[in-house]
Amino acid sequence: EVQLVESGGGLVQPGGSLRLSCAASGFTFSDYYMSWVRQVPGKGLEWVANIKQDERVQTYRDSVKGRFSTSRDNAKNTLFLHMASLRGEDTAVYYCARCRYSPRGCCFDSWGQGTLVTVSS
Amino acid sequence: EIVMTQSPATLSVSPGERATLTCRASQYIGSNLAWYQQQSGQAPRLLIYDASTRATGVPARFSGSGSGTEFTLTISSLQSEDFAIYYCQQYEWWYTFGLGTKLEI
Repeated sequence: EVQLVESGGGLVQPGGSLRLSCAASGFTFSDYYMSWVRQVPGKGLEWVANIKQDERVQTYRDSVKGRFSTSRDNAKNTLFLHMASLRGEDTAVYYCARCRYSPRGCCFDSWGQGTLVTVSS
Repeated sequence: EIVMTQSPATLSVSPGERATLTCRASQYIGSNLAWYQQQSGQAPRLLIYDASTRATGVPARFSGSGSGTEFTLTISSLQSEDFAIYYCQQYEWWYTFGLGTKLEI
């Protein structure tokens, strides 16, 4: 069974930093593109970032470029999201998701339970 | 950015009835569309990808159709566990989601 378990969320002040982790199991992690998707509580979903299997390609939504970076440790089956210069509008539940890759891009076929990031003073 | 518009925002139906949810893309996306179900307090679950292919383990009462800019998710006979929020997502050009349709009794 595919499992994705996020951790690392919490309360952080504006301008602060946080690192999220996602532990993967139940599939060959190194075979898959992985993604981060966020959701403001009570609101819709917003794609944040993707990372290729070998880390050589990382893509980000415009609003987080230069502030967020994603990485992975295939030996430890773990995905990371490094968030810096955090803003109030980054407050959301952050989901780790497995990418079902097609020639045009990803849909997300497995999701973690999410971790809440709150940016507030 | 490709904008995904879902309608209606809320759909009130009864168990056993058929539900039809619509998703419209602001520009052509081919068949690069997925549907997700999100129960309260849970993560989204992939139901349909490539506009009409059911994901693993998804019951046959869920079906997707459409291409280009107009898409439909149909639930043929609603079960109690189907009352949730449904999102569409395009992956033709980057990734954007609709705002969701809430299916309620």
